[in-house]
Amino acid sequence: NAGVTQTPKFRILKIGQSMTLQCTQDMNHNYMYWYRQDPGMGLKLIYYSVGAGITDKGEVPNGYNVSRSTTEDFPLRLELAAPSQTSVYFCASSPSTVQETQYFGPGTRLLVL
Amino acid sequence: GENVEQHPSTLSVQEGDSAVIKCTYSDSASNYFPWYKQELGKRPQLIIDIRSNVGEKKDQRIAVTLNKTAKHFSLHITETQPEDSAVYFCAASRGSTLTFGKGTMLLVSP
Repeated sequence: NAGVTQTPKFRILKIGQSMTLQCTQDMNHNYMYWYRQDPGMGLKLIYYSVGAGITDKGEVPNGYNVSRSTTEDFPLRLELAAPSQTSVYFCASSPSTVQETQYFGPGTRLLVL
Repeated sequence: GENVEQHPSTLSVQEGDSAVIKCTYSDSASNYFPWYKQELGKRPQLIIDIRSNVGEKKDQRIAVTLNKTAKHFSLHITETQPEDSAVYFCAASRGSTLTFGKGTMLLVSP
């Protein structure tokens, strides 16, 4: 199993541009999450999904959108990128609840200039 | 919502010493407390977790203790080794999401 994969690994965006961060898992997990990690600030939950067709906001959802059309994929969309969205983005998944091991992807480093 | 405070932010120890990282949480309904380790440039990985019906859990050199009354939990690493150097995150959950602390950078010197 590849586990959780993310693309791209690194991206530079100009202010106002849009992009989609891709996340795929091959473990047939129901739960998926998007976090952002800023230096010294831990992991902040952006959005999460408990299954295909179901998404919900986390702690810092503004400026982002998600969709979950399949069990495997959970893309994160950034509209109108701002410097405040410069961060490392991690996708994660867990089998059936949040109260079990979350498996993280390798992360996407995003720089907005 | 839940708030998780983690201390210290950095911790330096000599190889072979013990290390303790402490976290407090605000929501008394939280009942799941995992710890994640993140090596430099890598993804976070679960190292140990504890549920609110248990006071202590051990796995080789690492242990976690939970005090529900005081709403705090701690990670204990004994006989530290250079490969233990990483950032450690605590987290708390009462249901659908995890709230993470800001992390502790542990440096183990040979």
